[in-house]
Amino acid sequence: ILNVEQSPQSLHVQEGDSTNFTCSFPSSNFYALHWYRWETAKSPEALFVMTLNGDEKKKGRISATLNTKEGYSYLYIKGSQPEDSATYLCAVNSGGYQKVTFGTGTKLQVIP
Amino acid sequence: KAGVTQTPRYLIKTRGQQVTLSCSPISGHRSVSWYQQTPGQGLQFLFEYFSETQRNKGNFPGRFSGRQFSNSRSEMNVSTLELGDSALYLCASSRSGQGGQPQHFGDGTRLSIL
Repeated sequence: ILNVEQSPQSLHVQEGDSTNFTCSFPSSNFYALHWYRWETAKSPEALFVMTLNGDEKKKGRISATLNTKEGYSYLYIKGSQPEDSATYLCAVNSGGYQKVTFGTGTKLQVIP
Repeated sequence: KAGVTQTPRYLIKTRGQQVTLSCSPISGHRSVSWYQQTPGQGLQFLFEYFSETQRNKGNFPGRFSGRQFSNSRSEMNVSTLELGDSALYLCASSRSGQGGQPQHFGDGTRLSIL
């Protein structure tokens, strides 16, 4: 069973602050890492998919990095806004198909 | 383009009953995965279907089963319901189910067992 860990579990930041979260996973048998944003009363929304060591992806104020050798990924949010409040999920594929293991998420609340 | 549609949105059942949940993927998507979320747990993978075949299965008892039809629509069935089956069930689709593709999620079915 693949163990995907996310930290911190929850986070409160002030509007305008930058923040980051961590996703840790076993580095063996790695295929792909996904980040999703899950807002309350909505469905999870895909942010990034990363497969290569050293990958960096960016979408507006949100970016992510991947280190497959040491088994971690960081998600960064620059200048947090209240609309960034959500749970951020990390998911890892250890095979080629859609059998993913999700972490329990980091719940972010941005205070205006 | 319509998103992933799950029906029903809410369901209340009693212990011992069975239930069938439905998922219509995005048009053109052939891979459908099912997940369970219970309080305090991350999304737990149930199974994945591609071209009417179950390709992957998570660690759930045999009471949980599914199928996929030729139009890629999928159903999930849970028999002999237990209180612990109360959860949000999410369905997700992707074009071919390759691990490097993002999944598109439906809004879920919230199942409550009395």
